[in-house]
Amino acid sequence: DGGITQSPKYLFRKEGQNVTLSCEQNLNHDAMYWYRQDPGQGLRLIYYSQIVNDFQKGDIAEGYSVSREKKESFPLTVTSAQKNPTAFYLCASSLQGVKSPLHFGNGTRLTVT
Amino acid sequence: AQKITQTQPGMFVQEKEAVTLDCTYDTSDQSYGLFWYKQPSSGEMIFLIYQGSYDEQNATEGRYSLNFQKARKSANLVISASQLGDSAMYFCAMREGSHSSASKIIFGSGTRLSIRP
Repeated sequence: DGGITQSPKYLFRKEGQNVTLSCEQNLNHDAMYWYRQDPGQGLRLIYYSQIVNDFQKGDIAEGYSVSREKKESFPLTVTSAQKNPTAFYLCASSLQGVKSPLHFGNGTRLTVT
Repeated sequence: AQKITQTQPGMFVQEKEAVTLDCTYDTSDQSYGLFWYKQPSSGEMIFLIYQGSYDEQNATEGRYSLNFQKARKSANLVISASQLGDSAMYFCAMREGSHSSASKIIFGSGTRLSIRP
């Protein structure tokens, strides 16, 4: 079955360390997205990519970086510059077009102490 | 600029009653899409229903329907005959753009719906 895989489900890191969250999809979608969700709040867009080797900043890109070397993969690096990295991170993908809904992975819960 | 507003942080509804979750949006584009997602306590995001800005009829999917009032820029989700399994966070979202591009999708702050037995 096609879908989006995020790994790991839970991730623990020490403050000052960079950490990379994995996101892989086999839906053949061109577009991929990273969102951050804090407890009891909505989703905020970090980065998105419409095509391989291209990506755009979302509303809260500071302290994060991404790459899109393959259509299937869109890893997110949380750098030490991100002041409050502890959060739930959701990866999503979609087809092109305004009608296309996002398909989400199951998320990675990152805790930085 | 794009904006989605959900003014109901939480709602309690009796099982089997209908419930309306409010969503208003702001955009200067003529072409846009509106989406509703459900997020149970497990954290997964489940796509429920879509409404296009040019659609003349309100969207329906099973027990879900979307009350789309374009002039008022509102896209309220109606759940008929609520069930205990409907207890979750519900998010309204919007995508601007054309049929050939994949622009960003923004989300509202969500409504936590709790169904009472």
